[in-house]
Amino acid sequence: AQKITQTQPGMFVQEKEAVTLDCTYDTSDPSYGLFWYKQPSSGEMIFLIYQGSYDQQNATEGRYSLNLQKARKSANLVISASQLGDSAMYFCAMRVQGGSEKLVFGKGMKLTVNP
Amino acid sequence: ETGVTQSPTHLIKTRGQQVTLRCSSQSGHNTVSWYQQALGQGPQFIFQYYREEENGRGNFPPRFSGLQFPNYSSELNVNALELDDSALYLCASSSLAGVGEQFFGPGTRLTVL
Repeated sequence: AQKITQTQPGMFVQEKEAVTLDCTYDTSDPSYGLFWYKQPSSGEMIFLIYQGSYDQQNATEGRYSLNLQKARKSANLVISASQLGDSAMYFCAMRVQGGSEKLVFGKGMKLTVNP
Repeated sequence: ETGVTQSPTHLIKTRGQQVTLRCSSQSGHNTVSWYQQALGQGPQFIFQYYREEENGRGNFPPRFSGLQFPNYSSELNVNALELDDSALYLCASSSLAGVGEQFFGPGTRLTVL
């Protein structure tokens, strides 16, 4: 079975600092994808970044980068130059290729950016 | 905004009642997934519809059922509501082409009293 673990309940960071959000995953499938979503207090899940298990380079989308280390089964999200609007819940999710393409989510972690 | 809409925004029901939640998918997407997010938890997969057929189901009882229409919009029906069904219900649309990232709607918050 697939599982996502996010152990950081919450983090506080100063505006303009970089922050790393941890995610570990467990799957026996060789082909999978890892996603990060942001959920503000409004509730909507916002897609941030994706990386597939066969991708050669770590994904980058603007201020977001995904640091995939397959040997450690970790898929950390790095946010450079934090902004006040980055304050939200962050969820790591995994999709295994084939079947229903469902996403398996972690419990999330709360990021607070202070001015 | 993702272009995925859900209605209603909030809903209050009592135990034993039935509820229908609605979702309109993003233009060009033929797949809709439903998730239940309890307070303080990550979303849990309920089921997915692809071209009007159920394409996978999570660990939810049969009283959770769904439909997808020819325009790819979808409904989630829950019968015999229980207190534990109180949650945020999220709909996500996607295309099975590409990496399959799912785009979520704003959710429907259901409270069962």
